[in-house]
Amino acid sequence: AQKITQTQPGMFVQEKEAVTLDCTYDTSDQSYGLFWYKQPSSGEMIFLIYQGSYDEQNATEGRYSLNFQKARKSANLVISASQLGDSAMYFCAMREGWAGSYQLTFGKGTKLSVIP
Amino acid sequence: ETGVTQSPTHLIKTRGQQVTLRCSSQSGHNTVSWYQQALGQGPQFIFQYYREEENGRGNFPPRFSGLQFPNYSSELNVNALELDDSALYLCASSLEPRPTNTEAFFGQGTRLTVV
Repeated sequence: AQKITQTQPGMFVQEKEAVTLDCTYDTSDQSYGLFWYKQPSSGEMIFLIYQGSYDEQNATEGRYSLNFQKARKSANLVISASQLGDSAMYFCAMREGWAGSYQLTFGKGTKLSVIP
Repeated sequence: ETGVTQSPTHLIKTRGQQVTLRCSSQSGHNTVSWYQQALGQGPQFIFQYYREEENGRGNFPPRFSGLQFPNYSSELNVNALELDDSALYLCASSLEPRPTNTEAFFGQGTRLTVV
């Protein structure tokens, strides 16, 4: 079974509008972390936001917020006031457990295109 | 910029050859992870090095090997290259793998083409 599922291969959003990118995850661990990364065409993965499984508040970082619904195992990324520079691939990732290595499991990504 | 640098940026190799990719971690980071990203896919974890020791490995064959040096820079070596090894190889550096350390900073990647 997929550990991270991103069901939207591509999304379009009008500049200055908000957009939600979907992510569902599958784990039996109680302790885990959820991440969102942005990957422009240059290839570098840019860290956007993190949510720990025990965090009660939804994470926010500037225009990015994470809508964390633990019971539904979803961790959707909300980008407010979209900008042309937001056009990129977006990946949801999970780190399971706290022992051992810092291993991230990624979804297949969503390509976001911001329209002027 | 994250301070994580990878070299080379692009590489073309022939099937059966060997390749070495290099990564300099961000200052202060002692953990380096390597990921393989095939076209149209998310990155897949290859392995991680912490204080010069392998500290976790994904589902990759032994012909994928690595090293970490005392300055925490790292190398990824791939022997007997196959066409399916064509991918973007990403290096990520982070602080030691504790729950409170939540960020990994990625380099720009090395794009490997095997022909």
